[in-house]
Amino acid sequence: DGGITQSPKYLFRKEGQNVTLSCEQNLNHDAMYWYRQDPGQGLRLIYYSQIVNDFQKGDIAEGYSVSREKKESFPLTVTSAQKNPTAFYLCASSPHTSGGAFYNEQFFGPGTRLTVL
Amino acid sequence: AQKITQTQPGMFVQEKEAVTLDCTYDTSDPSYGLFWYKQPSSGEMIFLIYQGSYDQQNATEGRYSLNFQKARKSANLVISASQLGDSAMYFCAMREGSGNTPLVFGKGTRLSVIA
Repeated sequence: DGGITQSPKYLFRKEGQNVTLSCEQNLNHDAMYWYRQDPGQGLRLIYYSQIVNDFQKGDIAEGYSVSREKKESFPLTVTSAQKNPTAFYLCASSPHTSGGAFYNEQFFGPGTRLTVL
Repeated sequence: AQKITQTQPGMFVQEKEAVTLDCTYDTSDPSYGLFWYKQPSSGEMIFLIYQGSYDQQNATEGRYSLNFQKARKSANLVISASQLGDSAMYFCAMREGSGNTPLVFGKGTRLSVIA
């Protein structure tokens, strides 16, 4: 089955520790995205990558880092610099488009709920 | 400036009735796409419906339809014949330009369907 997997589903971290959230997709999609969701805030973009070895900051990139060494994988590291990391993190991907098409659904993973103790 | 506005934090609807979830957007780009997603309590994001800025007709997908009023910059989601399983968070989102630019989301509306 094709899809996006995120692991772990629940993650607990002590203050001052870095932690890495996994996101893997077998859909052969070019673009991948990380969003953060807080209650009442909707989804906010952290980072995105449109191609391997390239990524761009989103609206709330401070305190986070990413890498895109393989097409299938886009891990997110929450560093100790992130002041309030407790949130629900969603990874998404979308296929390559051409010809200026802007219909391009984003497919989402099941999410990781991070709690800082 | 907020690009997507959902003014209804919560809505209630009786089972089998229709309900409209509001969404207004702000863009100066003539080319854009509007999306609606459903998020049940499990957290997964489920794509419901899409409307392109150049589409002449309102989009429909089963019980979902999109009331697209371009001049008013609104893209309201209409759910007909509500079911208990429709209880969830609903998010409106927009993509400006083309390709793989990220979606920008509104803050969502929590829909509760009452038996």
